[in-house]
Parts: sequence; structure tokens; C-alpha cells
Amino acid sequence: NAGVTQTPKFQVLKTGQSMTLQCAQDMNHNSMYWYRQDPGMGLRLIYYSASEGTTDKGEVPNGYNVSRLNKREFSLRLESAAPSQTSVYFCASSEDPSGSTDTQYFGPGTRLTVL
Amino acid sequence: EDQVTQSPEALRLQEGESSSLNCSYTVSGLRGLFWYRQDPGKGPEFLFTLYSAGEEKEKERLKATLTKKESFLHITAPKPEDSATYLCAVQGRFGGSQGNLIFGKGTKLSVKP
Repeated sequence: NAGVTQTPKFQVLKTGQSMTLQCAQDMNHNSMYWYRQDPGMGLRLIYYSASEGTTDKGEVPNGYNVSRLNKREFSLRLESAAPSQTSVYFCASSEDPSGSTDTQYFGPGTRLTVL
Repeated sequence: EDQVTQSPEALRLQEGESSSLNCSYTVSGLRGLFWYRQDPGKGPEFLFTLYSAGEEKEKERLKATLTKKESFLHITAPKPEDSATYLCAVQGRFGGSQGNLIFGKGTKLSVKP
């Protein structure tokens, strides 16, 4: 089991460029999440998908869009990148957020720099 | 508003010197409190989940405890390989973001040989 995988690992963009971050999980989890991590701040939720076919905004959704392609894959798109989006992006998955136990497992991250 | 505060921000220990990390939280109905370890350049790695006050969990040199207002991560006789940032997160039972984790900023632990 690979767990949660993310591509690419590193990316440099110019302001205004677009890109899509890819995430896949092989644990048959229902829920998937996108976070960003900035120096001096905790992980902040961008978007999440509680189940296949649904997506919801998290704490910091502005400037991002997501697609839950199928049960395994959840992508994050930056339509017009801005320097404020320079960050490390983590994808996570969990079995079922409505269940009594719901641990989130994280991918290795994508380090994005916007110039 | 759900909130998590971790202290200290950074902690330097000598190998073998035991200590504790603190995680204070406010949440409208606690579903779970999570501890993660994060190594530089990597994603958070799950350590423990605690669900109710009085609960304790152990893994090697780590022991996590929970009260109604805070959690402690006790590190006994740490080794250099325990050096990492330790993250605490809470999951609330009520509100529009049920199931979502609220993270603290982490405690960066350095253990010197």
C-alpha cells in the first residue's frame, strides 16, 4: 500500500499561471482533504470531499478549485497563481468523517513557489 | 470557535532528558484529539487518537494523555531520532465543519546526543 500519493513534489510557477496538484489514495477511504502549511501557522484546510461526488469549502478556499475525480483521486487547481499561494500543500484521506473514529492520513506534500 | 494552542514552540533536550509537550484546546464537543509527528520535508505521520478525558496511549518512548482542556505528549528518555515537529489537532462534534481537524502550530523538538 502506497497510502496517499501526491504529484508533483516541487513546482515553481509565475504569477498568473495555472496548475493542478494531484492526489490519490489506495486505502479505499471515503473522505479526502487538501491543506496548506505556512511557516508559523498550523495546517489550514482548503477544501474537502466527504464522499465521492461531494466537495465543500474549508477555512481558506479562495483562489482554489477542487475536483473529486473518483473515490481514489482528489485534485486541487490554482487557476491564476499568486505569490500568496506559495506554500506546502498536503493531501489527506480518512475512512469516514461521520464515524466514531476518523483518523486522517497525509501524503508527502507538494512544495509550490509562485514568483 | 474551535482553537488549539501548543507549547512550547520549540524544545531542546539532551538525549535521555524526559519532558512533556502541551496542547490546550477549546472545542464544542470533542470527537477526538490527534497527535502527529512531522519530519522536515515530509507529511504529518499519525501517532495517537484520544477520545475522552483520562484516556492514555503509549508508543515506544511517547505517552499521550488527555484532560477536558488539554493533552500532554510525554517523551521518556528521548533519542536524537525523536527530533521532529509534533502537531496536535482536535476534531469537533458539532458545527458545520464536523469531521474537520483544527491544528495547532506545533512544537519543534530537538534532541541532542
